[in-house]
Amino acid sequence: DARVTQTPRHKVTEMGQEVTMRCQPILGHNTVFWYRQTMMQGLELLAYFRNRAPLDDSGMPKDRFSAEMPDATLATLKIQPSEPRDSAVYFCASGLVGNTGRSGNTIYFGEGSWLTVV
Amino acid sequence: KNQVEQSPQSLIILEGKNCTLQCNYTVSPFSNLRWYKQDTGRGPVSLTIMTFSENTKSNGRYTATLDADTKQSSLHITASQLSDSASYICVVSATSGTYKYIFGTGTRLKVLA
Repeated sequence: DARVTQTPRHKVTEMGQEVTMRCQPILGHNTVFWYRQTMMQGLELLAYFRNRAPLDDSGMPKDRFSAEMPDATLATLKIQPSEPRDSAVYFCASGLVGNTGRSGNTIYFGEGSWLTVV
Repeated sequence: KNQVEQSPQSLIILEGKNCTLQCNYTVSPFSNLRWYKQDTGRGPVSLTIMTFSENTKSNGRYTATLDADTKQSSLHITASQLSDSASYICVVSATSGTYKYIFGTGTRLKVLA
């Protein structure tokens, strides 16, 4: 049963520390998304990749956040330095998206990385 | 501005009853609309996907409708079960050079025994 795998599932860290979240997308999917979810904002798109190339990271605070996809089986989201306002659930999702950007295919979400910055 | 609004914000119903959740959007150009179910502490799971030409799609006890003219969608849950307690999120895809989803803030459904 294919699924998106995220690590860690839970992370508590002190303000100022670096946090790295990892995601293994479903094999064969060409698009990977990073989302952040809070009670106040709901789901926000941070960045997404197609065929490992970053296509849009406009939703991501550039000064402290970075997203990379070193290979087809790994996507990372890094926060350095972390701040209390970064506390949220970070979801990775993957899907198969056509070249035109149109797709009726399902996007699959991981179970999320629950981050608390104290 | 591309927006997706859902109503009600929260809903409590008794087990066995039906309910309907609403989604209005102002996304253009429109590509497709999805409904997701998110259990507490879990990632969202897709229920239905509808493109412009589709006006209804079912998945078991879940039936989604789409009116592309009025830019409205609804999710109808029939014979609710305790396991239906979750947040239901409406997501609209816009095609404007980049592939983006616009998420609603969800409807929190609680089904009581």
